[in-house]
Amino acid sequence: AQTVTQSQPEMSVQEAETVTLSCTYDTSESDYYLFWYKQPPSRQMILVIRQEAYKQQNATENRFSVNFQKAAKSFSLKISDSQLGDAAMYFCAYRRPLGSGSRLTFGEGTQLTVNP
Amino acid sequence: KAGVTQTPRYLIKTRGQQVTLSCSPISGHRSVSWYQQTPGQGLQFLFEYFSETQRNKGNFPGRFSGRQFSNSRSEMNVSTLELGDSALYLCASSPVKGANTGELFFGEGSRLTVL
Repeated sequence: AQTVTQSQPEMSVQEAETVTLSCTYDTSESDYYLFWYKQPPSRQMILVIRQEAYKQQNATENRFSVNFQKAAKSFSLKISDSQLGDAAMYFCAYRRPLGSGSRLTFGEGTQLTVNP
Repeated sequence: KAGVTQTPRYLIKTRGQQVTLSCSPISGHRSVSWYQQTPGQGLQFLFEYFSETQRNKGNFPGRFSGRQFSNSRSEMNVSTLELGDSALYLCASSPVKGANTGELFFGEGSRLTVL
């Protein structure tokens, strides 16, 4: 079974600065997806960024980027130029390859606070 | 395109009662999965439905059940409610083929409180 671990229950960052959230996972599969989801107080889970395991290039989405280390089974999220609206709970999630079902395995989450 | 719609958003029940939650996926999405979110256990997978068939099931007791209709809408039911069933129940949908980028699209959730 796959497991996802987020070792930072809480993180804080000053507005306009950079913060990195950590995630490690365990799997015996070679093909899979990794995601970072954001859950603001409104509760709706919103996709921040996705990474396909077979792609060596790290994904980027505007101010958000990942450091994907497949051999180390590490998938960290970097948020640059942090904004007040980035404050939320962030979840790292694992999904098996397409065709294996759409079940996500989530980490425990990291609560991000952005200080003005 | 409308997002994933969950109803009701909030509900309060008492121990021993049962509850039914509804989820309408994004148009064209045929896979619907359910998650329970609690402060203590985090996000846990309940089950996934595709083409009216349960494809995966998490480690929950038989009091938790679900179904999917031919229009892909899904319902989950919890019978004989316990205090520990108080949680946010999230529904997510995803396309199975075509433009499937792997991500799941979530609804806003149904907040269940059991008294």
